[in-house]
Amino acid sequence: DSGVTQTPKHLITATGQRVTLRCSPRSGDLSVYWYQQSLDQGLQFLIHYYNGEERAKGNILERFSAQQFPDLHSELNLSSLELGDSALYFCASSGPSGLNEQFFGPGTRLTVL
Amino acid sequence: DAKTTQPPSMDCAEGRAANLPCNHSTISGNEYVYWYRQIHSQGPQYIIHGLKNNETNEMASLIITEDRKSSTLILPHATLRDTAVYYCIVRDDNAGNMLTFGGGTRLMVKP
Repeated sequence: DSGVTQTPKHLITATGQRVTLRCSPRSGDLSVYWYQQSLDQGLQFLIHYYNGEERAKGNILERFSAQQFPDLHSELNLSSLELGDSALYFCASSGPSGLNEQFFGPGTRLTVL
Repeated sequence: DAKTTQPPSMDCAEGRAANLPCNHSTISGNEYVYWYRQIHSQGPQYIIHGLKNNETNEMASLIITEDRKSSTLILPHATLRDTAVYYCIVRDDNAGNMLTFGGGTRLMVKP
């Protein structure tokens, strides 16, 4: 158990819909990262938040957005969903140093029908 | 970030050492080598990291060549539970904190 929690574990929805994925980092970790893992693209970095502020963006679509709240939990919002958005979405957290290892949650499996 | 090259798959007998190679010939002086693994569809798990010296922890050992162009992750006594995809990642502390995953090596530990 990494100490990072993600909800829900599974999500099935239809094209065009909007969903919210939630992540709670390990106690004391200020950084939260979101990654997407699809069959054809592998594991890809989406976005990084540190203590409520966006720090870096990766291959995140404009239809996707994220935020980190004062209690440090984070939400990833996916809108206008397409079939290709079906993937595993992982959240990770880490300590303050840029080189701290990242601890990953169990992921949310999103299926868009 | 420098790119890494890993064999797509390897087999190892249970109880034997698993030696997973990684080539990172374009690594620069301030880049660290990290290893993560992903068991089935679980979240990736941190294993070990190093800069230039060899490192060992309770999970594995990391051997980095003197020129730092390649490294080897060693699982000293592989078990069936070590079957996973192993990712070698080169990470620059000035290039943001994201991890850039490649294809990794799918290690199959066989009885």
